[in-house]
Amino acid sequence: ILNVEQSPQSLHVQEGDSTNFTCSFPSSNFYALHWYRWETAKSPEALFVMTLNGDEKKKGRISATLNTKEGYSYLYIKGSQPEDSATYLCAPPYILTGGGNKLTFGTGTQLKVEL
Amino acid sequence: EPEVTQTPSHQVTQMGQEVILRCVPISNHLYFYWYRQILGQKVEFLVSFYNNEISEKSEIFDDQFSVERPDGSNFTLKIRSTKLEDSAMYFCASSDIQGIPRSGNTIYFGEGSWLTVV
Repeated sequence: ILNVEQSPQSLHVQEGDSTNFTCSFPSSNFYALHWYRWETAKSPEALFVMTLNGDEKKKGRISATLNTKEGYSYLYIKGSQPEDSATYLCAPPYILTGGGNKLTFGTGTQLKVEL
Repeated sequence: EPEVTQTPSHQVTQMGQEVILRCVPISNHLYFYWYRQILGQKVEFLVSFYNNEISEKSEIFDDQFSVERPDGSNFTLKIRSTKLEDSAMYFCASSDIQGIPRSGNTIYFGEGSWLTVV
């Protein structure tokens, strides 16, 4: 069983603030790390699949970095907007023998951006 | 953009009743999954399905649960005799075979079906 931790659990920021949060995962047998953004009453939206140590990926104002040796990933949001309010989930996949992946989710970081 | 769709969005059922949750995965995907989230807890894996059979299931997925792909487009989760502790948001998901080998393909989720057992 993979132990995946995310911090902080929740975060309140003002519009325009930049913010970041952390995902910690076991560094041994690393394959990849998935980041999802989950708004209430919507489907979790895939943000990034990160694979290589030192990877940095960007999607608009959101970016993520990966350190596989120490087992953590940071997600950054630059100039937060109210529409960024969501729960951000990370999950390393376990590759299934028959194909496909099983994601082990962290607890998530709930972000609220206030005007 | 293609998406995973789920029905119903919300169902209330009496304890002991059978429930079927329905999903239409993205059409060219080959791997199908069910996850659930009990209120206040982590999203957890239930089962994966490939080539018309279960490829992996969690310890939660006991004999009360079953999955089926009856017609090549729908993917269903059946709970035979619901218990109070089955109350949760159930997410269907799918993925294809593309992607970086050994990295894990992107998994696309539906909006979830909220099941309340009373």
